[in-house]
Amino acid sequence: DAGVIQSPRHEVTEMGQEVTLRCKPISGHNSLFWYRQTMMRGLELLIYFNNNVPIDDSGMPEDRFSAKMPNASFSTLKIQPSEPRDSAVYFCASSFLSDTQYFGPGTRLTVL
Amino acid sequence: AQTVTQSQPEMSVQEAETVTLSCTYDTSENNYYLFWYKQPPSRQMILVIRQEAYKQQNATENRFSVNFQKAAKSFSLKISDSQLGDTAMYFCAFIENRDDKIIFGKGTRLHILP
Repeated sequence: DAGVIQSPRHEVTEMGQEVTLRCKPISGHNSLFWYRQTMMRGLELLIYFNNNVPIDDSGMPEDRFSAKMPNASFSTLKIQPSEPRDSAVYFCASSFLSDTQYFGPGTRLTVL
Repeated sequence: AQTVTQSQPEMSVQEAETVTLSCTYDTSENNYYLFWYKQPPSRQMILVIRQEAYKQQNATENRFSVNFQKAAKSFSLKISDSQLGDTAMYFCAFIENRDDKIIFGKGTRLHILP
């Protein structure tokens, strides 16, 4: 079975550019989570969806960040405009009925 | 408030030894799930083991086992016959029943020495 798929795996961009991260959850899972991990702040939950509906976006840093889940098999996290402090590893995870979260391999974002 | 505490920021053991990572948590709920995740240098978050709070029997996965003490709210991970590939950051976590969000500890960095 395919796990959670994220793309790209690495992204290097310049300050001010738009960045879009993509996630395909495990088929049949009804919840999807976006996390950010940095050395300073550890693992932070940014937003999560249940049945494609955003439930809690209190972790989204600011208006530069937005996330969508147009269907059960796809989600995006967009940063516009990007800043150097957004450099981090971004994880997507999915789960079924509030049980185990399975993580994707992550996207390592570097903003110059 | 829901919290997870891992009191050992970093540990080192020799290959083939047994090591125990400690974890305590705080919740007012009776039903929840507990987890240990492993994050090797590749940064992938890998599920190591899962425990359902209503089950008294401790979960095991090959060389990995837990000591779940519900009354004490303790959930330690034991790694037997440790291997170099076990070198990683280990996170303890739990999800309360009916909730979606997982609460993570700050992690224990484990080094397996040759």
